[in-house]
Amino acid sequence: RKEVEQDPGPFNVPEGATVAFNCTYSNSASQSFFWYRQDCRKEPKLLMSVYSSGNEDGRFTAQLNRASQYISLLIRDSKLSDSATYLCVVNPSIYNQGGKLIFGQGTELSVKP
Amino acid sequence: NAGVTQTPKFRILKIGQSMTLQCAQDMNHNYMYWYRQDPGMGLKLIYYSVGAGITDKGEVPNGYNVSRSTTEDFPLRLELAAPSQTSVYFCASRVGGTLATGNEKLFFGSGTQLSVL
Repeated sequence: RKEVEQDPGPFNVPEGATVAFNCTYSNSASQSFFWYRQDCRKEPKLLMSVYSSGNEDGRFTAQLNRASQYISLLIRDSKLSDSATYLCVVNPSIYNQGGKLIFGQGTELSVKP
Repeated sequence: NAGVTQTPKFRILKIGQSMTLQCAQDMNHNYMYWYRQDPGMGLKLIYYSVGAGITDKGEVPNGYNVSRSTTEDFPLRLELAAPSQTSVYFCASRVGGTLATGNEKLFFGSGTQLSVL
């Protein structure tokens, strides 16, 4: 089983839609989780961090389910500018030390007019 | 501050050649990382370092070597280039220490596109 696995995508949605991506992780000791956004294979940029049950920032909500070992990213009222690849990142360390940061394979989102 | 600087931006190697990808950061970050990204895939961790003189293997270290003699620099060495090493390479850094709000952000370089033919 891979350490971090994401919905394969691509997701094609109309403007204004709500879309959700899932990411599962294999190491139950993991404490820190992140969503990054990557445009056209440029350098990834941090979107959200998740340390407890979840986090919300405007139209974006990240939730953590420790029992089932997955995190999700919900995007409400999708904009054309949300089109990108979303990368799930996990720190597989019980001590929350940042030595290792493992990326998932990414989920591509395309928002259409 | 320049942030994280990677050189070169593009390189074509012949099979069996060697080269060093340079990475430097001017933010006094303790933690530095090397990732590779193949087409349509996420980033795979090659090596990382939590401070000068300390390096650890990531998910895909075979065929690569690193060193961390200073806080600023984290070069990645390919000794015998193979077509399987054709990829985009990203260097990243962050402050370090226990992950928490405010210190978790990875700062990336702009990447190196490497082709091995």
